[in-house]
Amino acid sequence: GAGVSQSPSNKVTEKGKDVELRCDPISGHTALYWYRQSLGQGLEFLIYFQGNSAPDKSGLPSDRFSAERTGGSVSTLTIQRTQQEDSAVYLCASSHRLSGGSRSYNEQFFGPGTRLTVL
Amino acid sequence: AQKVTQAQTEISVVEKEDVTLDCVYETRDTTYYLFWYKQPPSGELVFLIRRNSFDEQNEISGRYSWNFQKSTSSFNFTITASQVVDSAVYFCALSEWSDKVIFGPGTSLSVIP
Repeated sequence: GAGVSQSPSNKVTEKGKDVELRCDPISGHTALYWYRQSLGQGLEFLIYFQGNSAPDKSGLPSDRFSAERTGGSVSTLTIQRTQQEDSAVYLCASSHRLSGGSRSYNEQFFGPGTRLTVL
Repeated sequence: AQKVTQAQTEISVVEKEDVTLDCVYETRDTTYYLFWYKQPPSGELVFLIRRNSFDEQNEISGRYSWNFQKSTSSFNFTITASQVVDSAVYFCALSEWSDKVIFGPGTSLSVIP
């Protein structure tokens, strides 16, 4: 597809279980972001991948959260031992730098999100 | 540290009124980027505009206009002659040298017919 896709669109899990959320960015986009949006709230930055650089994990709320990006494309966000406060919509976005020399930046394209409900 | 403030949590206007959404940012960088995104009730975020810190020209796109003022660290967004379809949550965002994009808390706009 042409846009960012995420799967599953909805996930209901029991407290204590692990979940994996998947993001397929737009082909060729070098940057990939994960955000969390709780009901009625803004976007909370979680993690950012840019090319082959080490990811910026500064937004991950606890060590139960991890993410990887394989082959510079697909990314998986894993939440271990889920808690009820993890319930939220998890959004993925990708972007592509406009130029390789000087720092130049393009907008992010967002996926539809995965709605996670932890019972 | 970078920070984005959108002081207006919720705004309601009557259709055809003009409305301005405020955005104030904090950064130590001299090079940065500012963005506005729209999140309609369907949930998917839509990019509206990008502005770099060296370009202080205001921009107009149809009924939308943006006022960037470095002196006050503000990047305000005005919708002229609002329409019901403008009802959404609007997010202002900031990207510094690290490319990490930080979003403001959002302003929920309701346009009443």
